[in-house]
Amino acid sequence: DVKVTQSSRYLVKRTGEKVFLECVQDMDHENMFWYRQDPGLGLRLIYFSYDVKMKEKGDIPEGYSVSREKKERFSLILESASTNQTSMYLCASSFPGQGNEAFFGQGTRLTVV
Amino acid sequence: GQNIDQPTEMTATEGAIVQINCTYQTSGFNGLFWYQQHAGEAPTFLSYNVLDGLEEKGRFSSFLSRSKGYSYLLLKELQMKDSASYLCAVLGGSYIPTFGRGTSLIVHP
Repeated sequence: DVKVTQSSRYLVKRTGEKVFLECVQDMDHENMFWYRQDPGLGLRLIYFSYDVKMKEKGDIPEGYSVSREKKERFSLILESASTNQTSMYLCASSFPGQGNEAFFGQGTRLTVV
Repeated sequence: GQNIDQPTEMTATEGAIVQINCTYQTSGFNGLFWYQQHAGEAPTFLSYNVLDGLEEKGRFSSFLSRSKGYSYLLLKELQMKDSASYLCAVLGGSYIPTFGRGTSLIVHP
């Protein structure tokens, strides 16, 4: 059974803290993505990676960075958490090219207080 | 850029048929996905269309018209468990999926 695993289901952090969200996939996928999901706004792409050590900005990268040191792991970093980063964060992975659906993790609900 | 539009919310009766529309404007097109997302859960894949026409998969069908920038998801014989959000996602020229805001479907008895 294919799996995308996010390290935490719920997380509460303080404003200004550095936050790490981890995502691991066991499908040998080249592509990995980080989205945030907010009511009324849908899924918005923060960053994606199409190979180890490669990363590209998505639509809303400000305040975030990422790391992909190994093919199976893609980390999202909030350098200095702010309250407007309170959201549901979804990691996904896929093979590249047409017709390859994305597989999603269960999500991390992050609250910044 | 990409623009994807779908209704915010729809309601339907158990046993009925419902059609959820998605219109899009993209730079490049490499297919369109539909995902289902139950509350508090991850989105799961339903269908993929890259050529014009209808793809049928059990109670669910998906249609694509590339010339009109239009797709719909058709759900037949609705069940209570079909209450969920339905996400339209377009694979543009960069092969990165861009999602619409999702349609919340409420099925009532």
